[in-house]
Amino acid sequence: DAKTTQPPSMDCAEGRAANLPCNHSTISGNEYVYWYRQIHSQGPQYIIHGLKNNETNEMASLIITEDRKSSTLILPHATLRDTAVYYCIVRLFSGGYNKLIFGAGTRLAVHP
Amino acid sequence: DTGVSQNPRHKITKRGQNVTFRCDPISEHNRLYWYRQTLGQGPEFLTYFQNEAQLEKSRLLSDRFSAERPKGSFSTLEIQRTEQGDSAMYLCASSLARGQGNNEQFFGPGTRLTVL
Repeated sequence: DAKTTQPPSMDCAEGRAANLPCNHSTISGNEYVYWYRQIHSQGPQYIIHGLKNNETNEMASLIITEDRKSSTLILPHATLRDTAVYYCIVRLFSGGYNKLIFGAGTRLAVHP
Repeated sequence: DTGVSQNPRHKITKRGQNVTFRCDPISEHNRLYWYRQTLGQGPEFLTYFQNEAQLEKSRLLSDRFSAERPKGSFSTLEIQRTEQGDSAMYLCASSLARGQGNNEQFFGPGTRLTVL
């Protein structure tokens, strides 16, 4: 699996958009970008994934650059409950299993 | 609540003792994973089951560690002769094998092990 690089920490004001970047310059053509987050004292939670098109769900939006070497997770209106560690993971998508390879992630602090 | 449960939530033991953790996945999920997480780090993969078969073990899983999933439902992770370095959060996740579509993993709340 390709390696990802994320900033160790970010701050965001409540109600504003949180934009979390991720670099994955060695991503291969059949690897997807996945985002998970981990709120303190809980297990990781799936947020969203994508291959090359931008994706949106009820939690977030994922913007992947045209060359696929980087992506941005967008939380459109951050709340205090979005304070968590966010992990960007690149992995093969298939019907078969894939273990998740977590980095250190980005610690997002949402403040009032 | 993701539907994945783990017991106990906390375990304090003395060095050299054996401990066993249990994971109950979402009932229809045929895949089960164990991860370990130390303070300030992301989770690290330990092992994976498809139904009752253990298909992959990480090099992190020393011979003091053993995992089972006897009937393809719940799983146990045992650590023998615990060491202080085993202190960590042990996370279980499950997923459903599907030919198409997302096979996201659903994580339990974890078991926090402290070895004194």
